[in-house]
Amino acid sequence: DSGVTQTPKHLITATGQRVTLRCSPRSGDLSVYWYQQSLDQGLQFLIQYYNGEERAKGNILERFSAQQFPDLHSELNLSSLELGDSALYFCASSDSRGSGTYEQFFGPGTRLTVL
Amino acid sequence: GNSVTQMEGPVTLSEEAFLTINCTYTATGYPSLFWYVQYPGEGLQLLLKATKADDKGSNKGFEATYRKETTSFHLEKGSVQVSDSAVYFCALMNTGTASKLTFGTGTRLQVTL
Repeated sequence: DSGVTQTPKHLITATGQRVTLRCSPRSGDLSVYWYQQSLDQGLQFLIQYYNGEERAKGNILERFSAQQFPDLHSELNLSSLELGDSALYFCASSDSRGSGTYEQFFGPGTRLTVL
Repeated sequence: GNSVTQMEGPVTLSEEAFLTINCTYTATGYPSLFWYVQYPGEGLQLLLKATKADDKGSNKGFEATYRKETTSFHLEKGSVQVSDSAVYFCALMNTGTASKLTFGTGTRLQVTL
């Protein structure tokens, strides 16, 4: 158990819909990262938040957005869903206080299926 | 930009066989290198890491050495077990203000009795 929790575990929805994925980082970790794992794209970094502020953006679509709340949990919002958005979405957290190599601890993931 | 290339899978081995999974990288500066493992139905777990050239990361019988001259970080284990069956990901991190991981495509390992 990494200490990172994600809900829900599974999500099935239809094209055009909007969903919210939730992540609670390990106690004390200030950084949260979101990754997408799909069959065609592999594991890709989406976005990072550090203590409530966006730190870095990767290959995140404009239809997707995220935020980190004062209690440090994070939500990833996916809207106008397309079939190709079906994937495993992972959240990771680390005790990064800026630059440096800090281990990222991954949650179990949320499997999104868009029908 | 950063990229990681690892050998295609699946790799099928008999128990107690020697394992090598190749990983090479392209990056600016001096990245840190990682191997993550994903067991069926689970998230990623850090297996080992190396933060500078010639460092050897090791854990649970797995080893990998950071080779700057060949830009490689190959994963090895002398004797695999059925319980090692999983998907293995090589990854790099360029430290700085954003410590994101760049992953390879993953290599599925299947170990049989």
